[in-house]
Amino acid sequence: EIVLTQSPGTLSLSPGERATLSCRASQSVSGSYLAWYQQKPGQAPRLLIYGASSRATGIPDRFSGSGSGTDSTLTISRLEPEDFAVYYCQQYASSTGTFGQGTKVEIK
Amino acid sequence: QVQLVQSGSELKKPGASVKVSCKASGYTFNNHGMNWVRQAPGQGLEWMGWINTNTGNPTYAQGFTGRFVFSLDTSVSTAYLQISSLKAEDTAVYYCARRVGSLCDYWGQGTLVTVSS
Repeated sequence: EIVLTQSPGTLSLSPGERATLSCRASQSVSGSYLAWYQQKPGQAPRLLIYGASSRATGIPDRFSGSGSGTDSTLTISRLEPEDFAVYYCQQYASSTGTFGQGTKVEIK
Repeated sequence: QVQLVQSGSELKKPGASVKVSCKASGYTFNNHGMNWVRQAPGQGLEWMGWINTNTGNPTYAQGFTGRFVFSLDTSVSTAYLQISSLKAEDTAVYYCARRVGSLCDYWGQGTLVTVSS
């Protein structure tokens, strides 16, 4: 099973700043089958990025994904107040889709 | 638009069973499988498995075999998760999510299952 490790655990930033979140896999994720989700308190997760770098429908272009192999990154270019949330990466290359443990982006 | 509407919160005693429903609309139900994801209180997301909406064949992740059963009623575009012999550690929010591979592109609102005596 592919294990995903996200870092940092918590990111404290101010609105307008740039956020860089990392996701490292225990083995290469074939086909760039890596996704990112955003979850706000009391809400279901929402798909942001799939295929490592493609934005899902309706996702603002301040969100971008990059990477391949074992290392992927989610970048939020300028944080808006509504972006403070928990972010999860997920590999879906195998029939079992494992998640990372999450990174919380909090207001500094 | 795609919608997944789940059944309401449940409070169950240890040893009981629970059945969570997930009704899909806005797309052809058997064009996409259904993933199930668990989130324990204050914890991250855990992929439980999925069910093929064409064949009804379920696949369970490690740790979700035996007491967990995925099923369907295609006549009403609904997927189900049944958990038997409930334990306190089953307390969690359970999500259904439309499957594209193992990707979850649309999610239900979640169902809180609380197991307490």
